[in-house]
Amino acid sequence: DGGITQSPKYLFRKEGQNVTLSCEQNLNHDAMYWYRQDPGQGLRLIYYSQIVNDFQKGDIAEGYSVSREKKESFPLTVTSAQKNPTAFYLCASSIGQPPNTGELFFGEGSRLTVL
Amino acid sequence: KNQVEQSPQSLIILEGKNCTLQCNYTVSPFSNLRWYKQDTGRGPVSLTIMTFSENTKSNRRYTATLDADTKQSSLHITASQLSDSASYICVVSQLSGHKLIFGTGTRLQVFP
Repeated sequence: DGGITQSPKYLFRKEGQNVTLSCEQNLNHDAMYWYRQDPGQGLRLIYYSQIVNDFQKGDIAEGYSVSREKKESFPLTVTSAQKNPTAFYLCASSIGQPPNTGELFFGEGSRLTVL
Repeated sequence: KNQVEQSPQSLIILEGKNCTLQCNYTVSPFSNLRWYKQDTGRGPVSLTIMTFSENTKSNRRYTATLDADTKQSSLHITASQLSDSASYICVVSQLSGHKLIFGTGTRLQVFP
């Protein structure tokens, strides 16, 4: 089945540690995105990538890094510089860029808790 | 400021009843409006996408309306089921740039 796979589902880390969240898609989509979801807030864009080896900062990129070495993969690293990393992280993909009517598909999310 | 506001924040209804969720937006220039369903601890799933020229769109028991003049949308759920318990998120796409503006969602609980 085609879809987006995020791993791990749950992750705990100590303060000061970097952690990498995995996102893999087999939908052959060019565009991929990382969002952060916090209680009582709308999803906020961290990074997005429209093509392999290229990515752009979203609204809240500070303390995060990404890579896009393969079309299928868009991992997110939460660095120790991120002041408040505890959140639910969602990866998404689309055929084209969102402003068109293209469908945006989400993964199942990764919940990161900093102890 | 581009904003998407949803109401109510939360809603409790009995199984079999209908309900309507509201979404008001100030996003400009407008491209399209989407409704997503998000089960607790899961990723959002798309219900509908509506462009400027579409007034109504249905997906099974979900009917979305759009009034681009007043910048309002609603999601009507007919004959609710327990599985409808979820958060419903309104998302507006801005025509310029690659911007999606997300509402904070309406938390719906359906009880037997």
